[in-house]
Amino acid sequence: DIQMTQSPSTLSASVGDRVTITCRASQNVGIWLAWYQQKPGKAPKLLIYKASNLESGVPSRFSGSGSGTEFTLTVSSLQPDDFATYYCQQHLNYPRTFGQGTKVEV
Amino acid sequence: EVQLVESGGGLVQPGGSLRLSCAASGFTLSSSYMSWLRQAPGKGLEWVAHIEQDGSEKHYVDSVKGRFTISRDNARNSLYLQMNSLRVEDTAVYYCARDGSGWSVSWGQGTLVTVSS
Repeated sequence: DIQMTQSPSTLSASVGDRVTITCRASQNVGIWLAWYQQKPGKAPKLLIYKASNLESGVPSRFSGSGSGTEFTLTVSSLQPDDFATYYCQQHLNYPRTFGQGTKVEV
Repeated sequence: EVQLVESGGGLVQPGGSLRLSCAASGFTLSSSYMSWLRQAPGKGLEWVAHIEQDGSEKHYVDSVKGRFTISRDNARNSLYLQMNSLRVEDTAVYYCARDGSGWSVSWGQGTLVTVSS
């Protein structure tokens, strides 16, 4: 199975900050990586697919980059609604594995 | 508007069975890849199973192989997860999701499965 590792596990930030989360894969996944946002008690929401494609309706302050084994999710200017937990997921092959999550908090 | 509504969760003893259902609306189920994913209390996300549009191909995470079965009824706009031989470690919120080419585009609100004696 492909192991996904996110860093950091927790990130303290303020409104307006530029925030970057890193996701590393244990083997090459090409561009087959997605990012999700989850708020407490809610279902996850797709933000980015195929490493850098912004899902429809997602604000443009979110962006994804990377390929192979290293990927980043960047929030250019953190908004109050962005405090949440973020997960990466490889969608190259089965089982589709997730990172352990990064909690973005005040 | 895409809607996915899970049902069938509840409390079950170890070794027991449950069948989860997911009612789909707002899109053409027969054209969609579908998945089940789960999240144990206070833990991260775990992909569980995937099914192709016509049900011809299915994939499972190793921990549920031989115990869980994903199926679909496109005529009834429904997705299912039959869970047998349940274990304490299967306790989680179970989500159904409509997939793109590998990623989960739309998620239901989830249904809680608790396995406990």
